[in-house]
Amino acid sequence: DAMVIQNPRYQVTQFGKPVTLSCSQTLNHNVMYWYQQKSSQAPKLLFHYYDKDFNNEADTPDNFQSRRPNTSFCFLDIRSPGLGDAAMYLCATSRPPQETQYFGPGTRLLVL
Amino acid sequence: GENVEQHPSTLSVQEGDSAVIKCTYSDSASNYFPWYKQELGKRPQLIIDIRSNVGEKKDQRIAVTLNKTAKHFSLHITETQPEDSAVYFCAASMHNAGNMLTFGGGTRLMVKP
Repeated sequence: DAMVIQNPRYQVTQFGKPVTLSCSQTLNHNVMYWYQQKSSQAPKLLFHYYDKDFNNEADTPDNFQSRRPNTSFCFLDIRSPGLGDAAMYLCATSRPPQETQYFGPGTRLLVL
Repeated sequence: GENVEQHPSTLSVQEGDSAVIKCTYSDSASNYFPWYKQELGKRPQLIIDIRSNVGEKKDQRIAVTLNKTAKHFSLHITETQPEDSAVYFCAASMHNAGNMLTFGGGTRLMVKP
């Protein structure tokens, strides 16, 4: 089945220790998104790729970076995680002109 | 930019009753309105969506209505069941290069058996 996959599902890291989250998709969608979701809140868009074009949200901290080496994969790098970065990180994809975004299962990040 | 308000933030209903969640948006250029259901610890899942050229859409027990003039849209769930308990998010989007979504704040729906 075509899908959006995120690994790992749970990630524990130490304060200040770089961490990378990964997302892959078999939908052949050309847009990929990274969202941060904290408890009881709506997903907050960090950035997205339209093909190879990177688009950063204005309020996304510099601590967050992303890479998209090919259509299928996208990575979220957190260079120096702080306690406030503990959250669920959701990857999503879409294929314009179809508007629907399809979400992966998320990676729950814990920062100790 | 777009702003989406969602009400209520929590909703408790008895099994079998109907539930209604309402959203308003600010940008009249928005033309796509999805609703996502998110169970605890799981991904948001699209349950229904509507485009601005349609006033109402129904899928079994779920329906969405859109009033473009008033810039509001609503989710209606009939004959609620305990498995409908979840957080529901509305969102708005306009046709643009990135299909960017603006989410409402979410509604926690609790269906009591």
